[in-house]
Amino acid sequence: GAGVSQSPRYKVAKRGQDVALRCDPISGHVSLFWYQQALGQGPEFLTYFQNEAQLDKSGLPSDRFFAERPEGSVSTLKIQRTQQEDSAVYLCASSLLRGIVYNEQFFGPGTRLTVL
Amino acid sequence: SQQGEEDPQALSIQEGENATMNCSYKTSINNLQWYRQNSGRGLVHLILIRSNEREKHSGRLRVTLDTSKKSSSLLITASRAADTASYFCATDARKLTFGKGITLSVRP
Repeated sequence: GAGVSQSPRYKVAKRGQDVALRCDPISGHVSLFWYQQALGQGPEFLTYFQNEAQLDKSGLPSDRFFAERPEGSVSTLKIQRTQQEDSAVYLCASSLLRGIVYNEQFFGPGTRLTVL
Repeated sequence: SQQGEEDPQALSIQEGENATMNCSYKTSINNLQWYRQNSGRGLVHLILIRSNEREKHSGRLRVTLDTSKKSSSLLITASRAADTASYFCATDARKLTFGKGITLSVRP
């Protein structure tokens, strides 16, 4: 079946621009996660949704980062006034069940964001 | 803020050999997971071991967990060129925290 999809796959933005990254989770998956992966590093947790509720946003690096999942399916990660340090791959993952513990996450291919 | 630390950072072996990768972490966990990442298939979940388990097998993969030493190891037996990838351990303690990863190269 279809896995997690993300769009766009690549995004180049000028410093100061706003960007929106989209994630389509696996159909029926309750939980959705966003991660940021810098070059040569492991993914770092940004935020977590259970259906439409954002239960954890402790990993968002600043108030320029905003995520939503209004209907409990597709999610959008928005970054306002992008900075060069925002350059990274942004990964989305979904899992079938509520919660995080013991719950396998399925990852999308990521969006590579480059801020010039 | 990454909790897991993998060791070694890079590993190069010949096809058919076994590859052993280690992970150490700092705080108590619910479970520990290993992931593989390559350009072709992205980040893929390999295996999960719960905090009350000591060893788990899945195909050519063997994972051990020592909670007293806060460490885990991933053994890949009879490696193949297709195993070439980055491998991450991720600790699950309310949220998934990844290490920096190990780059494994398997020479044909």
